[in-house]
Amino acid sequence: GAGVSQSPSNKVTEKGKDVELRCDPISGHTALYWYRQSLGQGLEFLIYFQGNSAPDKSGLPSDRFSAERTGGSVSTLTIQRTQQEDSAVYLCASSPHVDYGYTFGSGTRLTVV
Amino acid sequence: GNSVTQMEGPVTLSEEAFLTINCTYTATGYPSLFWYVQYPGEGLQLLLKATKADDKGSNKGFEATYRKETTSFHLEKGSVQVSDPAVYFCALLPNDYKLSFGAGTTVTVRA
Repeated sequence: GAGVSQSPSNKVTEKGKDVELRCDPISGHTALYWYRQSLGQGLEFLIYFQGNSAPDKSGLPSDRFSAERTGGSVSTLTIQRTQQEDSAVYLCASSPHVDYGYTFGSGTRLTVV
Repeated sequence: GNSVTQMEGPVTLSEEAFLTINCTYTATGYPSLFWYVQYPGEGLQLLLKATKADDKGSNKGFEATYRKETTSFHLEKGSVQVSDPAVYFCALLPNDYKLSFGAGTTVTVRA
C-alpha cells in the first residue's frame, strides 16, 4: 500500500484479556518503530526493528508486552493480560533509512475496560 | 540521555500572525531533527527535517534551522493560516536511532 497500515483502528477489550495489534509498513522499509501515545503523556518509544538485526526492546514497559516482525515486513505488538493503564493509541512507523523521516500509521486506539 | 524540550501550549494566534514554537534538545553525537504535525483526528505527519548543523528544513510555509551552538530547532511560520491548527511535535533521532519526541504544542488560530 501507499502508507503504513495498522489494524484494527479501534479495539475495546476487557481487563485481563490479550490483544494483538498489527502493522503493515511501507514495502521496502527496513526500519520499523512502535510508539504509544497516551493522553497527557506524549509519545513513548516501545520497540525498534532494523532489518534482520535484533530488535531494541528497551522501551517495552513490562514483560506483558512483546513484538515480532516476520520476514522483515509485518509486525505484531502483543499485550498480554491487559490493564487499564494500557489504554492508549499505539502507533507504528517505518522508514527506508534511519536518517529519513518516519512515516506513521493512523494508529490503533486501545481501550481496556 | 537524549531528550527534547518544547514550549508548552496551547498557543493561540490570530490568522496571519507570526508563529514560533521553541524546541531545544539534549543528545550525544550528531542527531537528526524533525518536526511532526498531528491535525485533529489524523495521524502524525512529517512536516520538515534537518540532518546536520545549520541545515534549514522547510515545508508548507514552516521553517526550522538546526542550531548546534544553541541545541535548538525552533519552528517558525511567518503567517499562520486557519488550516494550521494542530499539535506540533519536535523530535530527535540520535545515534541509537530511538526517535524521541517532545511533549507536543497545541496551536489554535482565531479567524
